[in-house]
Amino acid sequence: SQELEQSPQSLIVQEGKNLTINCTSSKTLYGLYWYKQKYGEGLIFLMMLQKGGEEKSHEKITAKLDEKKQQSSLHITASQPSHAGIYLCGADMLIQGAQKLVFGQGTRLTINP
Amino acid sequence: NAGVTQTPKFRVLKTGQSMTLLCAQDMNHEYMYWYRQDPGMGLRLIHYSVGEGTTAKGEVPDGYNVSRLKKQNFLLGLESAAPSQTSVYFCASSYRGQVREQYFGPGTRLTVT
Repeated sequence: SQELEQSPQSLIVQEGKNLTINCTSSKTLYGLYWYKQKYGEGLIFLMMLQKGGEEKSHEKITAKLDEKKQQSSLHITASQPSHAGIYLCGADMLIQGAQKLVFGQGTRLTINP
Repeated sequence: NAGVTQTPKFRVLKTGQSMTLLCAQDMNHEYMYWYRQDPGMGLRLIHYSVGEGTTAKGEVPDGYNVSRLKKQNFLLGLESAAPSQTSVYFCASSYRGQVREQYFGPGTRLTVT
């Protein structure tokens, strides 16, 4: 089973529209990270959230971590073609007694002109 | 700084062949990681290293070996490649004790036929 569940798995939106990607865990998240990946390239760090209720923004991308620290959302306002790619959430979790970074399955975002 | 680099970028292997993937970082990071990325599975940790000369198993270590003889390099070996190891492999590095904000390499696309 997946420690982090992302939804939706893929998303196609019209340029200029808003969209939201969700990342959910059954466990408390001690650090939640959002990354973006363009096809054939590595991951680019976007934002990190640590506190319950925390919200951060970078240009037109806003990420929030809920009060219970079990769900995060990534919201893009007025989407542009440059926003297309795969978005992954990652979180610090205790796996077999060691702190490791666990990733969601990713959300493939396509922006139609 | 080059950041995190990976070689090769692409490789096709036949079942049973062996190969080594090289990861190099010039940021003096203590921690290094190898992940594999498969459709619908997100990134999964294969092995990681907390310092020169040390390695540890991650989530999916079977079929892989690693070595960290030099602080800046982390090698991932496949002794006898299998089709199930067809994947995109990512290397990452981070500061000591900092699982957050891992820096990722561009990835190696491996196909095993």
